[in-house]
Amino acid sequence: GQNIDQPTEMTATEGAIVQINCTYQTSGFNGLFWYQQHAGEAPTFLSYNVLDGLEEKGRFSSFLSRSKGYSYLLLKELQMKDSASYLCAVMDSNYQLIWGAGTKLIIKP
Amino acid sequence: IAGITQAPTSQILAAGRRMTLRCTQDMRHNAMYWYRQDLGLGLRLIHYSNTAGTTGKGEVPDGYSVSRANTDDFPLTLASAVPSQTSVYFCASSEFGGADNEQFFGPGTRLTVL
Repeated sequence: GQNIDQPTEMTATEGAIVQINCTYQTSGFNGLFWYQQHAGEAPTFLSYNVLDGLEEKGRFSSFLSRSKGYSYLLLKELQMKDSASYLCAVMDSNYQLIWGAGTKLIIKP
Repeated sequence: IAGITQAPTSQILAAGRRMTLRCTQDMRHNAMYWYRQDLGLGLRLIHYSNTAGTTGKGEVPDGYSVSRANTDDFPLTLASAVPSQTSVYFCASSEFGGADNEQFFGPGTRLTVL
């Protein structure tokens, strides 16, 4: 079966760095996405990785290792507005997104 | 530019009733999707459409139907609602149904079936 695993909840301090991990087992791989979802709102796109390595976009970076079925989202200089759920999703061989349950990130002052 | 709109915002529905959730996008995207989001579970794809006039089944299509008569609209119909269909429903669209295409989401419809 297809499976995306990510921690249910994480807590970090304002100004710090946090890494949210995602492991996956899917039928085929056509890229991995990270989305941010604030409570009661729609998911919004953060990043896309299809090749191994690190993609940096401002305070957010995303890493992919296809051989390990592993990705992480790195958030630097955390701000209170970063409190949200972070969703990992893999596009499978049918070009359908398989979603993890999300990681709720709590930022403390 | 509104992006994607969904209606209604929320709805309480008696079991057995028919319900259509509306979704409209103004980005001229070819592909559209319907997901449901339940606590503790990831978003699950119900139905999708890669282009006007075509639709396909996702992971959890039973009890739902869709149509795609034009580019902009992608309604989702529950023919006879059941309590297990209580969920938050998100409509999304992307330029194409391809690998590196970011999906844009509507604000969601919170549906409760009693």
